[in-house]
Amino acid sequence: AQSVSQHNHHVILSEAASLELGCNYSYGGTVNLFWYVQYPGQHLQLLLKYFSGDPLVKGIKGFEAEFIKSKFSFNLRKPSVQWSDTAEYFCAGGGGADGLTFGKGTHLIIQP
Amino acid sequence: NAGVTQTPKFRILKIGQSMTLQCTQDMNHNYMYWYRQDPGMGLKLIYYSVGAGITDKGEVPNGYNVSRSTTEDFPLRLELAAPSQTSVYFCASFTPGGNTGELFFGEGSRLTVL
Repeated sequence: AQSVSQHNHHVILSEAASLELGCNYSYGGTVNLFWYVQYPGQHLQLLLKYFSGDPLVKGIKGFEAEFIKSKFSFNLRKPSVQWSDTAEYFCAGGGGADGLTFGKGTHLIIQP
Repeated sequence: NAGVTQTPKFRILKIGQSMTLQCTQDMNHNYMYWYRQDPGMGLKLIYYSVGAGITDKGEVPNGYNVSRSTTEDFPLRLELAAPSQTSVYFCASFTPGGNTGELFFGEGSRLTVL
């Protein structure tokens, strides 16, 4: 069975700090990985996705993620966060007929 | 573009009442999903459908029912509401093929059962 785990449930950073949110996956077969963001009171939006090819994936709003197969990881990074990045971030895997399996989410708070 | 539309956005139910959460998408997507989101638990799949007339249980289907009579609509029904069903419900859709696999989400329906 596939599973996705996120290391940090709550992260607090100051503006301009660098961000790295951990995500590990566990399942066989084709690896499709996603990061979604949920701003307060809103629905989930796709930040970036990995299917194949270059393991360093760039997404919207300056986010990127690196797929490291040997570590079963797909960590999300941003070199300099802004107050507007305050949100909940979800790592997810899958993409077949039965949808995506989500991690439990990381609540990110950026202090001005 | 409307995308995925859910109604209602908010609802309060009494224990034992029933209701239907509506979901419709205008992207002609074959695959549709219902997730529930609980604090600290991420999203759990309730039911999904790969096309009109076909539905399957997800991880947490108990207490819910779905139907898929058209490509566009995928309503979720709660027959006997229980406090454990207090949650935020998200409908999503996508179409396979290519290298997408991206789920498009509705804005959510916040349900409280008292």
